[in-house]
Amino acid sequence: KAGVTQTPRYLIKTRGQQVTLSCSPISGHRSVSWYQQTPGQGLQFLFEYFSETQRNKGNFPGRFSGRQFSNSRSEMNVSTLELGDSALYLCASSYKILRDSDTQYFGPGTRLTVL
Amino acid sequence: GQQLNQSPQSMFIQEGEDVSMNCTSSSIFNTWLWYKQDPGEGPVLLIALYKAGELTSNGRLTAQFGITRKDSFLNISASIPSDVGIYFCAGQIIQGAQKLVFGQGTRLTINP
Repeated sequence: KAGVTQTPRYLIKTRGQQVTLSCSPISGHRSVSWYQQTPGQGLQFLFEYFSETQRNKGNFPGRFSGRQFSNSRSEMNVSTLELGDSALYLCASSYKILRDSDTQYFGPGTRLTVL
Repeated sequence: GQQLNQSPQSMFIQEGEDVSMNCTSSSIFNTWLWYKQDPGEGPVLLIALYKAGELTSNGRLTAQFGITRKDSFLNISASIPSDVGIYFCAGQIIQGAQKLVFGQGTRLTINP
């Protein structure tokens, strides 16, 4: 079974631009969560989508948004990029919604650099 | 938000030695997970723990879910060079805005 895939793997943008990242979960998984990883803050939860609905959201500004499609694929969008948005963005999928204690499997991440 | 204290932050050991790391929190978790992350890659799940007191092994790795549900440890026996990387614990909380909270990571370096 193929793992979680994320595209693109690397991205360079400038301040003020917007970016869209894509995640394809493991086949059959319906929950997709997004995380931001930086050296200073570590791994932080952004949001979770299940059955095309956002189920939970971490403490990030409204510039960070996402959506999930009927095939469970998910996209994350960051508008008006700031230097501090430079990070590794990780997507993780699971069969059940997170509150049901299902195990998540992570993708390789998208490395975003904001100049 | 909830915090996990993971220790040690880094370890430098000789090949063949055993490794032990742990995570503690003031919050109760209903799931503990241990991941390993290689540079530029996403975390890879090593062990998942779902019950307080549970002791689970995966090859040379052993992890336990603390009885109080506020801590967990990971042991690696007879370390080998491919064990090098950053190990993260993660706790899934019962309620709250953050569904999965991560420790700061333990960077493991092995001298051959």
